[in-house]
Amino acid sequence: DSGVTQTPKHLITATGQRVTLRCSPRSGDLSVYWYQQSLDQGLQFLIQYYNGEERAKGNILERFSAQQFPDLHSELNLSSLELGDSALYFCASSRTSGGAFGNEQFFGPGTRLTVL
Amino acid sequence: AQKITQTQPGMFVQEKEAVTLDCTYDTSDPSYGLFWYKQPSSGEMIFLIYQGSYDQQNATEGRYSLNFQKARKSANLVISASQLGDSAMYFCAMREENRGNQFYFGTGTSLTVIP
Repeated sequence: DSGVTQTPKHLITATGQRVTLRCSPRSGDLSVYWYQQSLDQGLQFLIQYYNGEERAKGNILERFSAQQFPDLHSELNLSSLELGDSALYFCASSRTSGGAFGNEQFFGPGTRLTVL
Repeated sequence: AQKITQTQPGMFVQEKEAVTLDCTYDTSDPSYGLFWYKQPSSGEMIFLIYQGSYDQQNATEGRYSLNFQKARKSANLVISASQLGDSAMYFCAMREENRGNQFYFGTGTSLTVIP
């Protein structure tokens, strides 16, 4: 158990809908990362937050947004869902944003999103 | 051009032997980090090891070591004394620290450890 929790574990929804994925980092970790893993796109980095602020942005679609709250949990919002958004979404956390403690990441179990 | 290239889709290794998983990268950023992750069939993602571009020594974490050859832009993962539990997908990744800290992942190598 990495100490990172993600809810829900599974999510089935329809095209055009909006969903929210939630992540709680390990106690004391200030950075949260979101990743998408799909069969056709492979593993993609979406976005990183550090202590409530956006730190790095990857291949995140405009239909997707994220935030990190004062208690450091993070939410990834996916809207106007398409079939191609079906994927495993991972959240990871690290102690800081850089350096040794920022580069060791702990992953949650993932949320499996299925868009029908 | 691909930022991260893993040319071995699948690898086999005998239990207790060492194995090297290849990774080459492409960047002009002088400041970058290289990562390896393990993904067993159960699906969870496990961080293994990190190497910074300015690190003088190769990173090591237990049975994992990273063979960092900066001039050749390679960051191969070496697993010593393979165990059955090492059977998994392995992903190499890079983060360019002066270009927005975005991560780039390779397509992965599937490692099977044979008893």
